[in-house]
Amino acid sequence: GAVVSQHPSRVICKSGTSVKIECRSLDFQATTMFWYRQFPKQSLMLMATSNEGSKATYEQGVEKDKFLINHASLTLSTLTVTSAHPEDSSFYICSARRASGGQDTQYFGPGTRLTVL
Amino acid sequence: GENVEQHPSTLSVQEGDSAVIKCTYSDSASNYFPWYKQELGKGPQLIIDIRSNVGEKKDQRIAVTLNKTAKHFSLHITETQPEDSAVYFCAAILNFGNEKLTFGTGTRLTIIP
Repeated sequence: GAVVSQHPSRVICKSGTSVKIECRSLDFQATTMFWYRQFPKQSLMLMATSNEGSKATYEQGVEKDKFLINHASLTLSTLTVTSAHPEDSSFYICSARRASGGQDTQYFGPGTRLTVL
Repeated sequence: GENVEQHPSTLSVQEGDSAVIKCTYSDSASNYFPWYKQELGKGPQLIIDIRSNVGEKKDQRIAVTLNKTAKHFSLHITETQPEDSAVYFCAAILNFGNEKLTFGTGTRLTIIP
């Protein structure tokens, strides 16, 4: 299957700092990428949808100034958690959609565990 | 919008036996149904998917069936092995475009050696 990478896999930071997470589609171009957040033993919660070259679309309740998303190219999207606080600690997962003539497929990265002290 | 229900939430199966996880969806227009396997501390991995123009798809020990009339689809794992232990999520979506995947609540599958 297609490969989506995410970096870093784990980050621990102090409260008030900003953290950047990178998501890359390694073997296909992704015009659309997604950022999810997952709490323990729960399903995935979509945070935002990013399209290459345009502003991200955030889900209701997600602060766009808190979670900055940049879809810089067809293979790279970044999520920056600004001024992180302990309540932002979570498992963040990116996903990339591979378009294929109306038969699109969505692949997920390995996730980033963020711990804010 | 789409609503996906998944059952059971937990499932324990003896190694070698079969496991079945079921999902129902609400939007009859949905036409793509992927299944993801998520191991502890990892991202979801696409294991199989089915589109609405077929009723069944199989890949080695894994199969998915789709009943569009009843609006439900199921994941079947045969000859289960310990490495099948994970959380499985079903999802549904109408085509793609600007639509987003709607996930089920997940099933924690435990294979008992």
